[in-house]
Amino acid sequence: AQKITQTQPGMFVQEKEAVTLDCTYDTSDPSYGLFWYKQPSSGEMIFLIYQGSYDQQNATEGRYSLNFQKARKSANLVISASQLGDSAMYFCAMRGVTQGGSEKLVFGKGTKLTVNP
Amino acid sequence: NAGVTQTPKFQVLKTGQSMTLQCAQDMNHEYMSWYRQDPGMGLRLIHYSVGAGITDQGEVPNGYNVSRSTTEDFPLRLLSAAPSQTSVYFCASRGQFEAFFGQGTRLTVV
Repeated sequence: AQKITQTQPGMFVQEKEAVTLDCTYDTSDPSYGLFWYKQPSSGEMIFLIYQGSYDQQNATEGRYSLNFQKARKSANLVISASQLGDSAMYFCAMRGVTQGGSEKLVFGKGTKLTVNP
Repeated sequence: NAGVTQTPKFQVLKTGQSMTLQCAQDMNHEYMSWYRQDPGMGLRLIHYSVGAGITDQGEVPNGYNVSRSTTEDFPLRLLSAAPSQTSVYFCASRGQFEAFFGQGTRLTVV
């Protein structure tokens, strides 16, 4: 079964600094996809970035980049130049399969990021 | 803007009532799904669909029905609401390299 582990329940960062949110995953599938989502206090799930298991380069999207280390099974999110609006819950997710064989996104428990002025 | 439109945003139901949560996407994605998010439980898959006319159960399907008559729409029906269905519901639509969620529905069953 697939599993996502986010070991940082909460993180604090000063405005304009960079921050890394950790994510490790476990899967036996050779082909998989990794996602990061932001959930602000308003509740919506905002798609940030995607990394495919066969992608040679780390994914980047504006101030977001994904530090993909396949051998270590880690997919850390790096946010550069933090802004106050980055304060939110961040979820790492992987495309996986349930015990019943249905495809789903497997989510970690999330990291609450607080950006201080 | 392209994306996933989910309605309503908030809903209060009495036990035993039925209702339909609407979900529509305009990205021509084949794969759509419904999740519920509960404290300490993360997001759990309720039902999913891999295309028009094809639906299947996820991890927690009991008490919910879905149908997929078009590529765009994937409504979720609560047949007879129970307090255990109090949750935040998300519709998601997935392409090959992205997966987008609707704004969520906060449902309270009293």
